[in-house]
Amino acid sequence: GDSVTQMEGPVTLSEEAFLTINCTYTATGYPSLFWYVQYPGEGLQLLLKATKADDKGSNKGFEATYRKETTSFHLEKGSVQVSDSAVYFCALPSNRDDKIIFGKGTRLHILP
Amino acid sequence: GAVVSQHPSRVICKSGTSVKIECRSLDFQATTMFWYRQFPKQSLMLMATSNEGSKATYEQGVEKDKFLINHASLTLSTLTVTSAHPEDSSFYICSARDRRNTGAGNTIYFGEGSWLTVV
Repeated sequence: GDSVTQMEGPVTLSEEAFLTINCTYTATGYPSLFWYVQYPGEGLQLLLKATKADDKGSNKGFEATYRKETTSFHLEKGSVQVSDSAVYFCALPSNRDDKIIFGKGTRLHILP
Repeated sequence: GAVVSQHPSRVICKSGTSVKIECRSLDFQATTMFWYRQFPKQSLMLMATSNEGSKATYEQGVEKDKFLINHASLTLSTLTVTSAHPEDSSFYICSARDRRNTGAGNTIYFGEGSWLTVV
């Protein structure tokens, strides 16, 4: 079945460092791909998405490119901030309407 | 933007008691709400799909008699953990789909989650 695999955390970086959180997927066809973020004490929020191969989703300085060849959707940011500390989930919709399959989440700590 | 509110955010209950978690869509109507559970260092796993006015659809392996779901209105779904045991301690999070939109992902809004600890 469909699945998502993302790098395990926690990931600890200094402020202004470059960030990459790897995500690969297994799916039938070419589903949309998402990154969700969960800030401390808050609910999940959609961070960015890509709906087809080679699309690049971007938001708040984060980017992820839908790579069909490598079945990947890695999350990147050029210069992280302390406020980016959160848990990040890679996800895709299953073939069932609205059901979302999540990766295990990657906790990110940014040190000032 | 659309807001989904969960209550309580944290609850501690005694083993053998029942606890109810509410999920409300505050500024939209949700015909469908989803309940997820997350164990430590595990992914969010869908427990059940809650449809307004009908019975919930449970995922394989989820006990429907233990995790009672009620979706009595277009803005409220409740999850009741009956006869709770310490192994039920987990993070429960709901999501709701805005009935005005279609498609996955961007039309689904998540609550803040509820931490349940059974002692």
